[in-house]
Amino acid sequence: DTGVSQDPRHKITKRGQNVTFRCDPISEHNRLYWYRQTLGQGPEFLTYFQNEAQLEKSRLLSDRFSAERPKGSFSTLEIQRTEQGDSAMYLCASSLPPRGYEQYFGPGTRLTVT
Amino acid sequence: TQLLEQSPQFLSIQEGENLTVYCNSSSVFSSLQWYRQEPGEGPVLLVTVVTGGEVKKLKRLTFQFGDARKDSSLHITAAQPGDTGLYLCAGPKTGGYQKVTFGTGTKLQVIP
Repeated sequence: DTGVSQDPRHKITKRGQNVTFRCDPISEHNRLYWYRQTLGQGPEFLTYFQNEAQLEKSRLLSDRFSAERPKGSFSTLEIQRTEQGDSAMYLCASSLPPRGYEQYFGPGTRLTVT
Repeated sequence: TQLLEQSPQFLSIQEGENLTVYCNSSSVFSSLQWYRQEPGEGPVLLVTVVTGGEVKKLKRLTFQFGDARKDSSLHITAAQPGDTGLYLCAGPKTGGYQKVTFGTGTKLQVIP
């Protein structure tokens, strides 16, 4: 049973650089979510896909953030011109209707912007 | 806005003690989920409660959904060091695609 995987697990980058993260969901799950989490807080919604369609993007997400899910399978999250405030854990989750609210998370990508 | 407030925010107890974590909202949820997250890992789904008043047990963990479906509690009996982690409640927002809102989290430390 293959769970949700994310790559890389850790990323250290300098301010102003671009970074890209990958998420591979559970294969039969058609819903994919990206979240951002800071220490000790609950995950904060960033964006959501159903199959390859991006159905919602958080208003908290600046134009520097973009996500894709080109074939309805894996997804990428890109952050352009990173800022120190972008330092956080980026979590990917997938789910399957009718219990789409039950989210299966990957291990996350820890981003540190120096 | 459907917010989920958890209390306490932090809890440090000795091994063998009992504890209860609360998840409260002013909004009605069709269901609530509980997750546990260990440091450096993603949250792991523990349980879903659906019916008002429902009680579910998972070994030493007891989950209850409030009668009005606005709140939930997690009770741990005889806590073990392995219970240490961040406990999150979550619930689907009203709307079409089951977007989920997460609670503020309760960080539990069980000291051996």
